[in-house]
Amino acid sequence: EPEVTQTPSHQVTQMGQEVILRCVPISNHLYFYWYRQILGQKVEFLVSFYNNEISEKSEIFDDQFSVERPDGSNFTLKIRSTKLEDSAMYFCASSEREGRDSNQPQHFGDGTRLSIL
Amino acid sequence: DQQVKQNSPSLSVQEGRISILNCDYTNSMFDYFLWYKKYPAEGPTFLISISSIKDKNEDGRFTVFLNKSAKHLSLHIVPSQPGDSAVYFCAAIRGDSWGKLQFGAGTQVVVTP
Repeated sequence: EPEVTQTPSHQVTQMGQEVILRCVPISNHLYFYWYRQILGQKVEFLVSFYNNEISEKSEIFDDQFSVERPDGSNFTLKIRSTKLEDSAMYFCASSEREGRDSNQPQHFGDGTRLSIL
Repeated sequence: DQQVKQNSPSLSVQEGRISILNCDYTNSMFDYFLWYKKYPAEGPTFLISISSIKDKNEDGRFTVFLNKSAKHLSLHIVPSQPGDSAVYFCAAIRGDSWGKLQFGAGTQVVVTP
């Protein structure tokens, strides 16, 4: 079964540094998402992306965050100047159609654990 | 953000019995609901969903019930199997969104032999 793959599985970065988290969505999927889960908290939506544009973003997704689909296969999340509170598990997801299609739900990767020191 | 609530952090059930997981929501704008399962060190995996125009959806051992007037949904797993031991998340999508999942805090299910 096709999978969403995320690299690296664990990223350790100094506070203030830029970090790029990478995702390879399922190949025929058109909708892309980033979520995060801070330890002990809920999974939170960050951003959705379709047709090379951000479709929705949460209040968490401020100017320090950006997303890009630099080629036909990768989808990246960049944090420009990391803070301690950015430490979390970051999940990428993709879907073939919009989120209400039960035959085409969002498929999640296994996440990148981001640790800010 | 407490719009989707799972008030039971954990549930223990014997193999072969029914597991019932509950979820409450406060936002009447939600019109689509999903359940995801998560194993440690893995991402969430989709289980089953329901539209607000329905009150029940069934897929094999999994059934989701929706009570719109009570803003409550539940997931039934029958019969429970050891491989069902995982964290289960309820999630919801607003009518004016096409993909933003809003998650509950999750319920840890342990199925004992």
